[in-house]
Amino acid sequence: AQSVAQPEDQVNVAEGNPLTVKCTYSVSGNPYLFWYVQYPNRGLQFLLKYITGDNLVKGSYGFEAEFNKSQTSFHLKKPSALVSDSALYFCAVIYNFNKFYFGSGTKLNVKP
Amino acid sequence: NAGVTQTPKFQVLKTGQSMTLQCAQDMNHNSMYWYRQDPGMGLRLIYYSASEGTTDKGEVPNGYNVSRLNKREFSLRLESAAPSQTSVYFCASSVDRARQETQYFGPGTRLLVL
Repeated sequence: AQSVAQPEDQVNVAEGNPLTVKCTYSVSGNPYLFWYVQYPNRGLQFLLKYITGDNLVKGSYGFEAEFNKSQTSFHLKKPSALVSDSALYFCAVIYNFNKFYFGSGTKLNVKP
Repeated sequence: NAGVTQTPKFQVLKTGQSMTLQCAQDMNHNSMYWYRQDPGMGLRLIYYSASEGTTDKGEVPNGYNVSRLNKREFSLRLESAAPSQTSVYFCASSVDRARQETQYFGPGTRLLVL
């Protein structure tokens, strides 16, 4: 089955430390991968996407993600976390032409 | 430029009642989508409309109907609401149905079915 998985329900990190939010995928063919962020009581906001080209993708708010085809992963990273980064993060993969599959989400808690 | 708007923001229904969730976008996007968000399950696609005049089922279409009224508007109807439909509903749009297109989301509608 085509899918995307976020193995961690929650990630806790101290402000100023690097953060990683994990995502793995399982789709046939070449995946199109996205990261979205959701703040409380808000809709999802686009962070970054991988379509083709460089495996390291840079996005909004200092976030970046690394596409690893051999490990079928697309982990979200940031060198130095901010308290304001605390939110719910979703990985998504486009499959079957126009259908998005979203991961279950990872809650990021950045503590001062 | 309001982006994607949804009405209402919150609704309480009794089992068996019907209602329509409204969505509109002002970005001249061709494709529109309806998702539901449930705890621990991420977003699941209910229906989508690749272009004006077309609609297709997503992952969880049972109990729902949709109408692509025009290019701007895409409504979701619950004919006979059930407690299992308690959820947060998000509408989204994208420029076109090319696979790499980013989706833009509305603020959501919180629905409680008693």
